[in-house]
Amino acid sequence: AQSVAQPEDQVNVAEGNPLTVKCTYSVSGNPYLFWYVQYPNRGLQFLLKYITGDNLVKGSYGFEAEFNKSQTSFHLKKPSALVSDSALYFCAVKGGYNKLIFGAGTRLAVHP
Amino acid sequence: DGGITQSPKYLFRKEGQNVTLSCEQNLNHDAMYWYRQDPGQGLRLIYYSQIVNDFQKGDIAEGYSVSREKKESFPLTVTSAQKNPTAFYLCASSPPFGGQGGELFFGEGSRLTVL
Repeated sequence: AQSVAQPEDQVNVAEGNPLTVKCTYSVSGNPYLFWYVQYPNRGLQFLLKYITGDNLVKGSYGFEAEFNKSQTSFHLKKPSALVSDSALYFCAVKGGYNKLIFGAGTRLAVHP
Repeated sequence: DGGITQSPKYLFRKEGQNVTLSCEQNLNHDAMYWYRQDPGQGLRLIYYSQIVNDFQKGDIAEGYSVSREKKESFPLTVTSAQKNPTAFYLCASSPPFGGQGGELFFGEGSRLTVL
């Protein structure tokens, strides 16, 4: 069965520093991977996806993610964090019938 | 603007009452989904519908019901049989997978609190 794991409940980073939010996956076959962001009491906003092609995927708001097949990882990254990046981040993998299976989420806190 | 509209944003319910959460989309998407969000548990799939007049149970369908009579609408009823209904409910839609890669588009959510 497909699944994703986000090993960190919270990530703390200083403004201006690079950030990484980790995600590992387990799927049979080729994975379709996604990152979403959620602000308090709001819906999820799509950031980026990996379907095929280049392992480095660029998305919205300066975020990017690196697909690593050998490590079954899809970590979210940003070169320079902003306080406004503070939010809840979800990694997801496509399951059957176009469903998405989500990780538990990682709370990112960017400190001034 | 195209998007997904969920209503109400906040809802309070007494134990033993059924409530219906509305979800409407004008994106012309075929597929629609209901997820439940609890702190620390991510999103769990309640029901999904790939086409009109058809829907399937997700991972936590017990105590919930849905209908899909129109392409634009996918209401969720939280019944009195749902033992712990207090949660944040998210509706989503997507075009056919082969079209745009499978990402889901989400509404702003409905927060249900049982008193």
